[in-house]
Formats: sequence, C-alpha cells, structure tokens
Amino acid sequence: NAGVTQTPKFQVLKTGQSMTLQCAQDMNHEYMSWYRQDPGMGLRLIHYSVGAGITDQGEVPNGYNVSRSTTEDFPLRLLSAAPSQTSVYFCASSYRGGGADGYTFGSGTRLTVV
Amino acid sequence: KQEVTQIPAALSVPEGENLVLNCSFTDSAIYNLQWFRQDPGKGLTSLLLIQSSQREQTSGRLNASLDKSSGRSTLYIAASQPGDSATYLCAVIDDKIIFGKGTRLHILP
Repeated sequence: NAGVTQTPKFQVLKTGQSMTLQCAQDMNHEYMSWYRQDPGMGLRLIHYSVGAGITDQGEVPNGYNVSRSTTEDFPLRLLSAAPSQTSVYFCASSYRGGGADGYTFGSGTRLTVV
Repeated sequence: KQEVTQIPAALSVPEGENLVLNCSFTDSAIYNLQWFRQDPGKGLTSLLLIQSSQREQTSGRLNASLDKSSGRSTLYIAASQPGDSATYLCAVIDDKIIFGKGTRLHILP
C-alpha cells in the first residue's frame, strides 16, 4: 500500500551510540519532515525538506542530521544518542503546501536511550 | 514564527452531545489546515484538510471550519460517541506543518 514507511518500529540505544531512523514514501511527495513527540510537549519539528537536495532545520534540530538525496527517502541520523532523545519519532510527507490530501504520517519509531 | 494554540487542552462530555474544539494560529499566510486524531500509543490519522481557499470541510459527523483572516479553525463533532475519545490535533501548513498541542477528548458513556 502507498504511504510512509518508518523503520525500525522500536529501538533501544546506549548513550553515545549512533543510529539512523529510516523514512521512505512512494507517493512522489516533494515535502518530507521529521517530528518527535514527548508527553506534554506535543509534536515538535526536527528537520524538514521541500525537495531532493534541500533540507532545513525545525524547532529542535540539535543532535540530529538529515539528508535528502532522493525524493523517496529522508533518513534521520542521531549522531551520539543521549537520554534526552528518548521519544517517539514520526516522519511525514506531502505534496507542496499539503496538496489536496494534506500530510501523511508514518506509524512512528519508539526510541529509548539508556 | 507560527504558533498554534488549541483550547481546551482537555474536555470530557457525555455521550450524544455535540462539541466544538478550537484552534488558533498566529500567521495567516498558510496553504492549508489539517485536523488529525491520535489514539494513545498510536500514530496520527488525518480527519479533515481545509485548503486556504475553502471555509469548511465535512466528513460524516465531523465538520471543520477555517477563518484565515482571524487565524481560527474549529472542529465540530456531532452526536459524540465513546469511540470518539482521543487526542485531536490541529496543524497549519505552509512549507512545513506546525502542530498545536492537542485537545484530549473523553466521551463519557
């Protein structure tokens, strides 16, 4: 089925380890974004991209890197995991400005840093 | 900087009542506005998308309105049911999507 696929669904990391959260969409959407969701804080934008080769920082970018080499993929890299990065991460995509259908979200990655 | 505010933060109502959830935003230069539902421990489900040229959208018992000039949107739920219990999120879209913190809705059987 068409949509946004996030892997892995669950991950436990030790402090200082690095990892990449994968996000792929097959809808040819220009826009892709990463969010983290924490209790009481809502969904906060980490990084976003308006097309291949173009990325920009959101509200909470520190500790995370992104790249957008293809339209389909938008991986999120944690450089050196910290307990403060324990969260649920969501990836989303859309046509420009939301298009006619708005944003589509992946099912999330639940990350625990110990 | 765009800011999205949802009021109330939490709401409990008896089954069968009609209710309104409110959303306000500070920058009216948006493309679209989208309402989502999130059940505990789950992902986001899109409910309604209102494009900037529209004033409202309807889906079943849900109706969402948009007033760009005043920076407001409302989500109206008719004849509420226990299955409507969830967190409802309002989000505005320009070149990214910015969320409010949501309204936690509890429908009492």
